[in-house]
Amino acid sequence: DAKTTQPPSMDCAEGRAANLPCNHSTISGNEYVYWYRQIHSQGPQYIIHGLKNNETNEMASLIITEDRKSSTLILPHATLRDTAVYYCIVRDNYGQNFVFGPGTRLSVLP
Amino acid sequence: EAGVVQSPRYKIIEKKQPVAFWCNPISGHNTLYWYLQNLGQGPELLIRYENEEAVDDSQLPKDRFSAERLKGVDSTLKIQPAELGDSAVYLCASSLVGQDTGELFFGEGSRLTVL
Repeated sequence: DAKTTQPPSMDCAEGRAANLPCNHSTISGNEYVYWYRQIHSQGPQYIIHGLKNNETNEMASLIITEDRKSSTLILPHATLRDTAVYYCIVRDNYGQNFVFGPGTRLSVLP
Repeated sequence: EAGVVQSPRYKIIEKKQPVAFWCNPISGHNTLYWYLQNLGQGPELLIRYENEEAVDDSQLPKDRFSAERLKGVDSTLKIQPAELGDSAVYLCASSLVGQDTGELFFGEGSRLTVL
């Protein structure tokens, strides 16, 4: 079973920030938080990951709470092409599988 | 650099027929995964290989599903015989164990329709 819970769907206006929450209250100290997204008819695509500190790359920012029990993926200026299902996964780097839940379906509206 | 390549992209068969899917991972990636994705759901792991060894096949329905990864590179997933409930997208992914992120790289998937 997935170790994370996410809202099933969210809407965001084009050009605005999309903030996607994820709860992972049972995360252990050596588990990372990964985010993937899946655009229709494609395989999932890696976005970002983090352990404790906030992370930023060219696609998104990841904010992890101090107690690490939740995190937020931020798409700073959402475009129509960001419409996708977003998956939050917790996993260590010692051989655990990536376990996908149902994710959050983000719809970016014009 | 080429990504994960899967074939065929689409396959339509009648129930009780066999079907096979092929995956070529990213060059140098030692870990290969097969996932199954039903409509509206997240991918579910079927089997994970590290090199030639299947290190986790606990979710693979072994009565009708089989997989192999000869020489630790390409992999084939087979279903025989196929059932109506096997209609889904079969995703292959690869990663490099020991790499900092260990992130997965997915292929575009093989969509199976069983009639």
